[in-house]
This record gives sequence, C-alpha cells and structure tokens, in this order.
Amino acid sequence: EVQLVQSGAEVKKPGESLRISCKGSGYSFTSYWISWVRQMPGKGLEWMGRIDPSDSYTNYSPSFQGHVTISADKSISTAYLQWSSLKASDTAMYYCASLEVLGYWGQGTLVTVSS
Amino acid sequence: DVVMTQSPLSLPVTLGQPASISCRSSQSLVYSDGNTYLNWFQQRPGQSPRRLIYKVSNRDSGVPDRFSGSGSGTDFTLKISRVEAEDVGVYYCMQGTHWPSVTFGQGTKVEIK
Repeated sequence: EVQLVQSGAEVKKPGESLRISCKGSGYSFTSYWISWVRQMPGKGLEWMGRIDPSDSYTNYSPSFQGHVTISADKSISTAYLQWSSLKASDTAMYYCASLEVLGYWGQGTLVTVSS
Repeated sequence: DVVMTQSPLSLPVTLGQPASISCRSSQSLVYSDGNTYLNWFQQRPGQSPRRLIYKVSNRDSGVPDRFSGSGSGTDFTLKISRVEAEDVGVYYCMQGTHWPSVTFGQGTKVEIK
C-alpha cells in the first residue's frame, strides 16, 4: 500500500526554525517527485515546490522561492520542508503529495506560528 | 504563469441530481508528448485532498463511476452524475503541463441543498 506519512503538528514562535517530514512507503521512493502544498486556514491549495528524491533536484514556486527549503534523504525515503525563520503568516496545513503520477497525499502537518 | 479558473465557486446540489464544475486554463494544457496533464481532486471536510481524475478523463482506482472528467485544450469539466451525501467537499482542478510550476484552481465547494 502506497503511503505518505507526515510528521506531527507543530507550534512555534515567530523567528524559530522548523523542519517537517514526509516518509514514503509501498513504492519506489526515488521514482516519483514529491511536492509540498500549503493550505492556509479556510483557503485553497497552493503548490510550493517539488523535489526529485533520486538526485534532490528541486523546483520552487516563485511565491515560495527563498522562503522555504525542500530536501530529501533517499536512504530513509523521506522528504523535508524547512523554514529558517518562521512568521505568523506561515500558519497553515502543509501537505506532501506525489502529484504528477501516483496521486497520493500525506495526512498533512499543521504548523501554528504564534507569539 | 498559467492561471486556472473554476466556476462556480459554490455549488448547492440536491441529492441524486447531477453536478458540473468547469475549469478553464489561461494557456493550452496539451504537453509536447501529446498528453494533457489536468487532474481533479476532492477534499472532504477535515481530510487531505484525494485525486479523482488524472489526464482529463482517467478515474483513479476506487473512484465511483458517477465521477467523470472531460475537456480539451483550455476547457475542462468534472461531472457528478448523481450527487451523494459523501460527495460534499471542495473540488480542485490542477494543471501539471507547464513545468516546472503546478497550478491549482481556486476550488469549488459542493454542498447539499
């Protein structure tokens, strides 16, 4: 069974750093891109960027370029989304997904940034 | 950037009646390989999105056959032949043709009248 399992909810303060994870199983992790998608409270889906787990090549949406970093460790079939300095406006649900081929989504990681 | 425009944004429907959602792209979604990378996703309340349709008209495994996708070029449609209570949620179209970016529509909220 294909699964993308994300790390748990996080509560952080503005200015703090954070890395959330997405572990793939049930398929060849290095064969398919992993995307990250943001959903702010009550809003729609926004594509942030993607990574090719086989070589860690990344694409970013211009809206998120420079604000987040996407990485992967293929040895443990895990992709990451990272912030170096969180803002209150980063409060959202974040999903990893294999959008292009498999169509599978993780369960989401809720990130709350509040002082 | 490719803009995806859905209509309507809100769709009240009667149980057992059909429903239709339109998705228009600002550029053709036909890729150089001849495929059209237009997907439809369903997001039920409190759940992760789930893909229903890929490459315009291909239903994913486990998706009821009351869901169908059609269209070409820049105009696409998701149809539900007979709406059931479990179909309540928000539906999104998504283009994957214009690499490297992926673009979602704004979402259409389906609710029962």
